[in-house]
Amino acid sequence: GENVEQHPSTLSVQEGDSAVIKCTYSDSASNYFPWYKQELGKRPQLIIDIRSNVGEKKDQRIAVTLNKTAKHFSLHITETQPEDSAVYFCAASLNQAGTALIFGKGTTLSVSS
Amino acid sequence: GAVVSQHPSRVICKSGTSVKIECRSLDFQATTMFWYRQFPKKSLMLMATSNEGSKATYEQGVEKDKFLINHASLTLSTLTVTSAHPEDSSFYICSASKGQGPYGYTFGSGTRLTVV
Repeated sequence: GENVEQHPSTLSVQEGDSAVIKCTYSDSASNYFPWYKQELGKRPQLIIDIRSNVGEKKDQRIAVTLNKTAKHFSLHITETQPEDSAVYFCAASLNQAGTALIFGKGTTLSVSS
Repeated sequence: GAVVSQHPSRVICKSGTSVKIECRSLDFQATTMFWYRQFPKKSLMLMATSNEGSKATYEQGVEKDKFLINHASLTLSTLTVTSAHPEDSSFYICSASKGQGPYGYTFGSGTRLTVV
């Protein structure tokens, strides 16, 4: 089955700096790659996603890049703000009926002002 | 948009008792429901996948007799933790998907289970 590796496990940046989180996946058939932000005790919140027919997607300060050949994808947050501090999870799936999201282990991002 | 209601949000139970967690899709038909478990400061681990009207498929290492999943309708799936023990204390969260694409995953709000 699918296995998703995520790095780093913790990331500390200064406000205004950029943050990059990287994930690799094992199943070359996976074609949907979402990123979630989760606050303590809350449900994961989708912040951006990318499908395999696209190499890059951007939404304001957040961007995701996908390299299908290398089977890795990355989350880029620019101009970080203290409210960006949270746990971020990458995930992968076949995006077919009945297939689950498989999550990476998460990255705790701390943005200090 | 798609909404999944999960109840209860928190529950404390005694060892040996059973606890039922419900997830309802409010405005769409959830063909498939996924159940995850999350330990503190850990990732979401897939426990099982259930399709409406079928038996759930459990991930390796998940005891199907302990974690009973029912998906009797397209809007309701339940997870029952039977004979709960302190090590079952965790955050349980469901995720629903529709049968037709583009496929999205809608998460419930999660249930914090504490077994004392």
